[in-house]
Amino acid sequence: EVQLLESGGGLVQPGGSLRLSCAASGFTFSNFAMSWVRQAPGKGLEWVSATGGKGDSTYYADSVKGRFTISRDNSKNTLYLQMNSLRADDTAVYYCAKDRGQLRGNFDYWGQGTLVTVSS
Amino acid sequence: DIQMTQSPSTLSASVGDRVTITCRASQSISIWLAWYQQKPGKAPKSLIYKASSLETGVPSRFSGSGSGTEFTLTISSLQPDDFATYYCQQYTSYPWTFGQGTKVEIK
Repeated sequence: EVQLLESGGGLVQPGGSLRLSCAASGFTFSNFAMSWVRQAPGKGLEWVSATGGKGDSTYYADSVKGRFTISRDNSKNTLYLQMNSLRADDTAVYYCAKDRGQLRGNFDYWGQGTLVTVSS
Repeated sequence: DIQMTQSPSTLSASVGDRVTITCRASQSISIWLAWYQQKPGKAPKSLIYKASSLETGVPSRFSGSGSGTEFTLTISSLQPDDFATYYCQQYTSYPWTFGQGTKVEIK
C-alpha cells in the first residue's frame, strides 16, 4: 500500500525558513517523480515543485522559484522541501504527491498534508 | 502559463442525478488532463487521468471525456459519497495548473 507522510509544518515568522519532509513507502521510491502541491486556506490547489526519480531534474512554480528547494534522499525514501524567505502568502497545507511516472505531472497518490503558517 | 477554468463553481444536485462538470484550457493540452476529488480536511484523490482513463478502484459512475481545450467530468448517478469539490489539472507543460474547483453540494 502506497503511503506518503508529510511532516515539518508549523508556525514561522515572515522571512523565516522551514523544511518539510515526506516519508514514502509501498513503492519503489526512486522510480517515480515526486511533487509538492499546496492549498491556501479556503483556496484551490497550486503545484509548487517537482523532482525526477533521481533528483537531478527539478522544476518550480514562479511563485517559489529562488526561495524553495526540492530534494530527495532515495536511500531514505524521503522527499524534502526547503522553504526560505517565507511570506504570508506561503501559508497553506502542503501535500506531497507521487507522480504516475517520471515527471508526467499526474498524481496518483497524495499525502495527508502538513500545515505551514507564516505569521508574526 | 495555461489557465484552467471550471464551470460551474458550485453545483447543487440530488442523489441519483446525472452531474457534468466542464473544464476549459486556455490552449490545447491534448489529452493531458486529470480530475481529482477532495473532501473537506482531506487530501485530493485521483479519479481520472489522460482525460478519460479511470483510476483503479474508482467507481464506474465517474467518467471523463474531451481533448484539446474542452473536457468534462460526468457522474452518472450521484451518490452521497460524491458530495465534494472536484478539480481538473493540466499536465502538458510547466507549471502544471489546476482549475479553481467545482463544489458539488446537496440540493
